[in-house]
Amino acid sequence: RKEVEQDPGPFNVPEGATVAFNCTYSNSASQSFFWYRQDCRKEPKLLMSVYSSGNEDGRFTAQLNRASQYISLLIRDSKLSDSATYLCVVRVGTGGFKTIFGAGTRLFVKA
Amino acid sequence: DTEVTQTPKHLVMGMTNKKSLKCEQHMGHRAMYWYKQKAKKPPELMFVYSYEKLSINESVPSRFSPECPNSSLLNLHLHALQPEDSALYLCASSQDLGNYGYTFGSGTRLTVV
Repeated sequence: RKEVEQDPGPFNVPEGATVAFNCTYSNSASQSFFWYRQDCRKEPKLLMSVYSSGNEDGRFTAQLNRASQYISLLIRDSKLSDSATYLCVVRVGTGGFKTIFGAGTRLFVKA
Repeated sequence: DTEVTQTPKHLVMGMTNKKSLKCEQHMGHRAMYWYKQKAKKPPELMFVYSYEKLSINESVPSRFSPECPNSSLLNLHLHALQPEDSALYLCASSQDLGNYGYTFGSGTRLTVV
């Protein structure tokens, strides 16, 4: 079993749709959680950190469920510019040394 | 300045060449990283520097040699690479080794011929 697993993609959605991605992690010592987006042939960019209480940034909402060991990302009112690969990232341990990237989920938003 | 700057953006090198990749940040971040990313794969950690000292070497072959001259700069020296080393090399930094997100540079796209 992979340490961090993401929904297989690609997701093809129309503009204005709501789309949700899930990510599961296997190590219960995981301390911090992030979502990054990566555009084709570009670097990953931090989208949001994920806090235990959940957090929202505009159209994006991230949630963490420690008991079930998964995090989620909800995108409301999808825009064409949301098309990208979304990477789930988990850091294990307080030193943050072990950072594990999920394989990513590809999102295509179509007009 | 909230950027990580990497040079060069593209590099083609022969298997007998020696070249260096450079990374610079002026955000006062104390942790810096080298990642390797192949097409359609997530980034793979190569090296971690914390306060200018090498903290992690993820069993990277010795043909890759990192160097941290000061708190703002990170280099990756390349020598006798193989074609399978062709990839996007990403530098990243974070405030510290704690639970902080990374800022990535735009990467160096390396082709080994």
